[in-house]
Amino acid sequence: EPEVTQTPSHQVTQMGQEVILRCVPISNHLYFYWYRQILGQKVEFLVSFYNNEISEKSEIFDDQFSVERPDGSNFTLKIRSTKLEDSAMYFCASSEVTSGGSYEQYFGPGTRLTVT
Amino acid sequence: GQSLEQPSEVTAVEGAIVQINCTYQTSGFYGLSWYQQHDGGAPTFLSYNGLDGLEETGRFSSFLSRSDSYGYLLLQELQMKDSASYFCAVRDRYGGSQGNLIFGKGTKLSVKP
Repeated sequence: EPEVTQTPSHQVTQMGQEVILRCVPISNHLYFYWYRQILGQKVEFLVSFYNNEISEKSEIFDDQFSVERPDGSNFTLKIRSTKLEDSAMYFCASSEVTSGGSYEQYFGPGTRLTVT
Repeated sequence: GQSLEQPSEVTAVEGAIVQINCTYQTSGFYGLSWYQQHDGGAPTFLSYNGLDGLEETGRFSSFLSRSDSYGYLLLQELQMKDSASYFCAVRDRYGGSQGNLIFGKGTKLSVKP
């Protein structure tokens, strides 16, 4: 069964450093998303991406964040100048194009980011 | 603002039936989904309701009443492996972006022997 993959599984970085989280969405999916989940809290939407551009972004997704699809398979989230409060699990998700109605977002296993 | 309310914890015994409620208040509504998340794992899709009524998938059923801004997830014949957190999520937009999901805070279900 196809799945979303993410690397690394765990990233430790120092405050102020830049990190890039990588995702490989399911191959025939065209919509991509990043979510984050601070330990013990709910999953929060960061950004959605379609047709090589950002479709929507939340208030969390400020200038510190950027996304890119550098090639036909990878989808990355870059966090510049990380802060302690960026420590969280970051999930990538993808979904198919549908004409509406039921759709499902497939989540990757996540990258646990720890900022020290 | 956008909000989804669900109970924080539910405990039940193996073989029992449990219902997890979700009420929502969002700027738009294009369907209610349910996701399961085991500790340390990724959310996995369980069900979706776009229209009022009951959707059944094996031991799991989900219900939606749009007029009441309310839905629930019903888990039958509970098994130990059902111990997890369950999130309701609203898709608040329709169209090219497919809409991001707004998640509730999750309900931690503990199944006891």
